[in-house]
Amino acid sequence: ELKVEQNPLFLSMQEGKNYTIYCNYSTTSDRLYWYRQDPGKSLESLFVLLSNGAVKQEGRLMASLDTKARLSTLHITAAVHDLSATYFCAVDIIEYGNKLVFGAGTILRVKS
Amino acid sequence: SAVISQKPSRDICQRGTSLTIQCQVDSQVTMMFWYRQQPGQSLTLIATANQGSEATYESGFVIDKFPISRPNLTFSTLTVSNMSPEDSSIYLCSVETSGPPYEQYFGPGTRLTVT
Repeated sequence: ELKVEQNPLFLSMQEGKNYTIYCNYSTTSDRLYWYRQDPGKSLESLFVLLSNGAVKQEGRLMASLDTKARLSTLHITAAVHDLSATYFCAVDIIEYGNKLVFGAGTILRVKS
Repeated sequence: SAVISQKPSRDICQRGTSLTIQCQVDSQVTMMFWYRQQPGQSLTLIATANQGSEATYESGFVIDKFPISRPNLTFSTLTVSNMSPEDSSIYLCSVETSGPPYEQYFGPGTRLTVT
């Protein structure tokens, strides 16, 4: 059974600081996703990581994937209040029908 | 990308009744999924909606409780039957784009409250 673990589950940080969210998964995966969810909203796709060593950046967020370690990171650089949201990682395995298995989510609060 | 709409966006229902949620996507897609997000929780897959055949349900979800239709490649419905307060959740449909990079996108969700 594919399991996905995120940590930390809650992160409170000051504006301007850097931090990293970790996503570990239990078995070989074909794709890893990072999503953002604002309160009362749906999920917004941030990154899709497909291969070992993949790194993608958008603004203050950078995601990376290490398939050998079964680990993805979402790094936040110089946080701003607008980044406050819940961040989910999710993995899928094509042979299991492309269904996504989600981590528990990380609630990020950036304090001014 | 894909533009997905869901109806209704929210509803308050009485226990014992049923609600049908619609999901419409702006392009033909092979893969459509239904997820549940209970309050304060992560997302759990209910089923994969297969066009032209019965949906594939995940462990813990059954067709009698969550019947799904998929009449074509752009539309699906999920019914929550004989509702109880434990069914209060956000229900989201998602689609996987039919070409590279095969990303999954989510609809806006349906917030269901059962009283």
